[in-house]
Amino acid sequence: GQQVMQIPQYQHVQEGEDFTTYCNSSTTLSNIQWYKQRPGGHPVFLIQLVKSGEVKKQKRLTFQFGEAKKNSSLHITATQTTDVGTYFCAGRSGGSNYKLTFGKGTLLTVNP
Amino acid sequence: GAGVSQTPSNKVTEKGKYVELRCDPISGHTALYWYRQSLGQGPEFLIYFQGTGAADDSGLPNDRFFAVRPEGSVSTLKIQRTERGDSAVYLCASSLTAGQGTGELFFGEGSRLTVL
Repeated sequence: GQQVMQIPQYQHVQEGEDFTTYCNSSTTLSNIQWYKQRPGGHPVFLIQLVKSGEVKKQKRLTFQFGEAKKNSSLHITATQTTDVGTYFCAGRSGGSNYKLTFGKGTLLTVNP
Repeated sequence: GAGVSQTPSNKVTEKGKYVELRCDPISGHTALYWYRQSLGQGPEFLIYFQGTGAADDSGLPNDRFFAVRPEGSVSTLKIQRTERGDSAVYLCASSLTAGQGTGELFFGEGSRLTVL
């Protein structure tokens, strides 16, 4: 079945440093979503990417969808302590339009 | 309510017992999902409803797990003969509609199940 892999599993940065997490799917995706989960909380939707090569920005966050629609990345510029949490990518493949498969996530900690 | 509501928030049970977990989605959301999340892992898909019917139940691990959504709103996840390995946070999510290119998921706070 479809697998979604994320690296790294953990990332610790100093406040102000940049952060990137990468997501790879075993199958071509119809779309990909990103979620953030704060410690003790539930996943909260950040963004959805649909088009091949798509790039979207939300303030300090930049999301990319690969040309082959099998990989994606999230980049945070100048991290802040409020960025702490686990970032998940979640993808839908053409064979299962409605099931959203999550990666294992990247836990980001920020040292003030 | 304003968001997805899940009850109970915590459930402790003994091995072999039966449990029910309830999810009340956002009003008007036709799609409802159940996920299971273990510590340090991503949400694992269990089942998805579109209206009253289970559109995809491929994630249910075995026949001890069953879910219903009889009126297309509230859903109940039922686990029979619980095992220690069933211990996890069970997340429910709803979305306005489902289909390719749509479907931001709104998650509830989850039901933490502990099987002793």
